[in-house]
Amino acid sequence: AQSVAQPEDQVNVAEGNPLTVKCTYSVSGNPYLFWYVQYPNRGLQFLLKYITGDNLVKGSYGFEAEFNKSQTSFHLKKPSALVSDSALYFCAVRHYGNNRLAFGKGNQVVVIP
Amino acid sequence: NAGVTQTPKFQVLKTGQSMTLQCAQDMNHNSMYWYRQDPGMGLRLIYYSASEGTTDKGEVPNGYNVSRLNKREFSLRLESAAPSQTSVYFCASSDHPGTGLENSPLHFGNGTRLTVT
Repeated sequence: AQSVAQPEDQVNVAEGNPLTVKCTYSVSGNPYLFWYVQYPNRGLQFLLKYITGDNLVKGSYGFEAEFNKSQTSFHLKKPSALVSDSALYFCAVRHYGNNRLAFGKGNQVVVIP
Repeated sequence: NAGVTQTPKFQVLKTGQSMTLQCAQDMNHNSMYWYRQDPGMGLRLIYYSASEGTTDKGEVPNGYNVSRLNKREFSLRLESAAPSQTSVYFCASSDHPGTGLENSPLHFGNGTRLTVT
């Protein structure tokens, strides 16, 4: 069965500094990987995805993520964090042919002004 | 552009009461899902419907039932609510995986906050 691990509960970063949110996955076969963001009292919003091709994928709001097959990781990154990036971030994986998406437990990101 | 609409936004139930959470999407998506979100546990799939007329159990189906009323609507019913069902419930939709669109992202509603006392 597919699964996702997000090892940190909370990530604190100063505004303007680089932001990294870690994610590792476990799935048989080729994974489809996703990042979602959740703002308070809202549903999850899609940020970016990796399906195939270039290991560095770019998404919304200046976020990008790097797929590393050997380390089974898909870390989310942003070169310069904004206070408005403070939110809950979820990594998710879907196995090819399976219409179920497995979510990690989420990481709270706090950007300090 | 409504997307995925969930009603109600908030609900308080007493143990043993029943209720139905409603969900509708206007994106012509084939697949619909119900998740629950609990602190420190991420999102867990309750039930999903890959297409109109089909439903399947997810990770945590016990205590719930679903109905895919038509392509737009997918409801979640709690027959006899329990305190363990206190949670935030999210409905989501996506294009049908079988169309080769397995990479389609989910579109979420804003959630229903349910408290069972």
